[in-house]
Amino acid sequence: QQPVQSPQAVILREGEDAVINCSSSKALYSVHWYRQKHGEAPVFLMILLKGGEQKGHDKISASFNEKKQQSSLYLTASQLSYSGTYFCGTGGGADGLTFGKGTHLIIQP
Amino acid sequence: DSGVTQTPKHLITATGQRVTLRCSPRSGDLSVYWYQQSLDQGLQFLIQYYNGEERAKGNILERFSAQQFPDLHSELNLSSLELGDSALYFCASSLGGQQNTEAFFGQGTRLTVV
Repeated sequence: QQPVQSPQAVILREGEDAVINCSSSKALYSVHWYRQKHGEAPVFLMILLKGGEQKGHDKISASFNEKKQQSSLYLTASQLSYSGTYFCGTGGGADGLTFGKGTHLIIQP
Repeated sequence: DSGVTQTPKHLITATGQRVTLRCSPRSGDLSVYWYQQSLDQGLQFLIQYYNGEERAKGNILERFSAQQFPDLHSELNLSSLELGDSALYFCASSLGGQQNTEAFFGQGTRLTVV
């Protein structure tokens, strides 16, 4: 089951904050976040594990609500380099990691 | 540079043909994953191999197959190609399984079926 991301797209000015949400209809063991710039490969940002452990980026934070099966990615004081498409991924067991359709983030100067 | 190498970068082929995409994982990584990315479907997981054995399977068509060799490189074989198979195919690798380990993506192979 593909996780659902919202919003589909966000346009911000440099320095503004953004929140990207990811929800799943299945119980989650972990949530993975990746960013992909146009024409490039996805790049790992963060993993959030059941139980509260996080692994990843020191300038981006995220939350993981196991009961609600949701995760949110927080981008504060956005920089031009934050532009790209953000994907959340769930699962990773026998069915593999399933990614959402992505959230397009555009940061304007 | 993620350390994951995919060849070729671009491939143009006719419908009905067969192609092979190749992936060399990062040094030390045992898991290899294949993803298909198209505009309308996003990143679709196809298949995972861990140390030579199939570990997880996603939405991989029967016309597609993959394997991981003893040196841990992997190949994705696509046969009886259709126009709808045109997409960007990514390979990723990680040290362990996918649930709690970050994956590193290669630059992808862009397949165009004409």
